[in-house]
Amino acid sequence: EAGVTQFPSHSVIEKGQTVTLRCDPISGHDNLYWYRRVMGKEIKFLLHFVKESKQDESGMPNNRFLAERTGGTYSTLKVQPAELEDSGVYFCASSPLRGLDGYTFGSGTRLTVV
Amino acid sequence: ILNVEQSPQSLHVQEGDSTNFTCSFPSSNFYALHWYRWETAKSPEALFVMTLNGDEKKKGRISATLNTKEGYSYLYIKGSQPEDSATYLCAPSRYGNKLVFGAGTILRVKS
Repeated sequence: EAGVTQFPSHSVIEKGQTVTLRCDPISGHDNLYWYRRVMGKEIKFLLHFVKESKQDESGMPNNRFLAERTGGTYSTLKVQPAELEDSGVYFCASSPLRGLDGYTFGSGTRLTVV
Repeated sequence: ILNVEQSPQSLHVQEGDSTNFTCSFPSSNFYALHWYRWETAKSPEALFVMTLNGDEKKKGRISATLNTKEGYSYLYIKGSQPEDSATYLCAPSRYGNKLVFGAGTILRVKS
């Protein structure tokens, strides 16, 4: 079974530019989460999709961040325009709709805004 | 809002030492407690998911216990090896809700 795949693995962009991160969850996993770890701090929740619907987006820092999951498969997280404080590692995780299986994480996208 | 505390922040031990970390969390509305092992540039790896008070889980040299009444979990590593070096993250969750991570404990095992 393929794991959670994130693309790109690294991205370096200038302040003010736009970046789009992609996450392909495990096939059949209805839950998809985005998390972010800013340097030296804890991993923080951004938002949660159930299929194509946003279940909880309380962790989105501001309206420069836009997440989509059209068709309930892969998801994108766009940052526009990027600011310096957006630098960090963006993780995606997926899990089945029911059950207590631990979430499966992707290896993350390391975003650096310069 | 869940306030998750992990201690210590970092730990340096010699190969062969046994060690343990603590995760503290609010006991109200508790649903599950997840432990992850994370190496930089890799995916956080799920170690354990525990739900019941008194739960104990074991995976090789690593084990964990859970006390939901007082809101803490311990992770133990017996006979630490250099390959155990990583950041160990705990994350409680409430039913149907997201994981809330602690800042993690960084373990470095010297050979």
